[in-house]
Amino acid sequence: NAGVTQTPKFRVLKTGQSMTLLCAQDMNHEYMYWYRQDPGMGLRLIHYSVGEGTTAKGEVPDGYNVSRLKKQNFLLGLESAAPSQTSVYFCASSDHRDTEAFFGQGTRLTVV
Amino acid sequence: AQSVAQPEDQVNVAEGNPLTVKCTYSVSGNPYLFWYVQYPNRGLQFLLKYITGDNLVKGSYGFEAEFNKSQTSFHLKKPSALVSDSALYFCAVRVYSGAGSYQLTFGKGTKLSVIP
Repeated sequence: NAGVTQTPKFRVLKTGQSMTLLCAQDMNHEYMYWYRQDPGMGLRLIHYSVGEGTTAKGEVPDGYNVSRLKKQNFLLGLESAAPSQTSVYFCASSDHRDTEAFFGQGTRLTVV
Repeated sequence: AQSVAQPEDQVNVAEGNPLTVKCTYSVSGNPYLFWYVQYPNRGLQFLLKYITGDNLVKGSYGFEAEFNKSQTSFHLKKPSALVSDSALYFCAVRVYSGAGSYQLTFGKGTKLSVIP
């Protein structure tokens, strides 16, 4: 029972490099989310999706792009990484707007 | 803005004593409220939620939360704390984000330390 799986778990990038974080869920959930967690800031929503082929901006979308080409996958892209994007990134999914979200284990990203 | 607030960055409690982690909310309409727990180097785990109905909600691991509409609060409680309850706790609220979509907005978290 995998739930929500994030790849990779750790990554170090140089400023200006690009990368894609992959989130996969096996629960057939409609909703998927990307959050970042920073000390003292809690979790802040970057982008989210309410179904295959749809995406929307969250609270802190600048510098990130997302795609949901398949229902089970939600990709988060950084086109040109900046030190301010050093954070722990969490993906989550839920099957309905009223139900609880299931979280992945997180990706620790460091931009130097 | 619709949000939740956790007024305490840290709560310390002795093992065996009751614990309370506070959360207040600011939303229009009926709030949908959630509590999550995060253990070190792990993702968030769902504890409980309030959608409607009884003001006292029971959840996982012996936790419960009391919804108080007049005080706009949703405090997390447990009658007897365990050392293993030491973790980071997040309150969250469902917020309408337009075009029929909703998102979860989290508080900043409260670190709970249970002292043996």
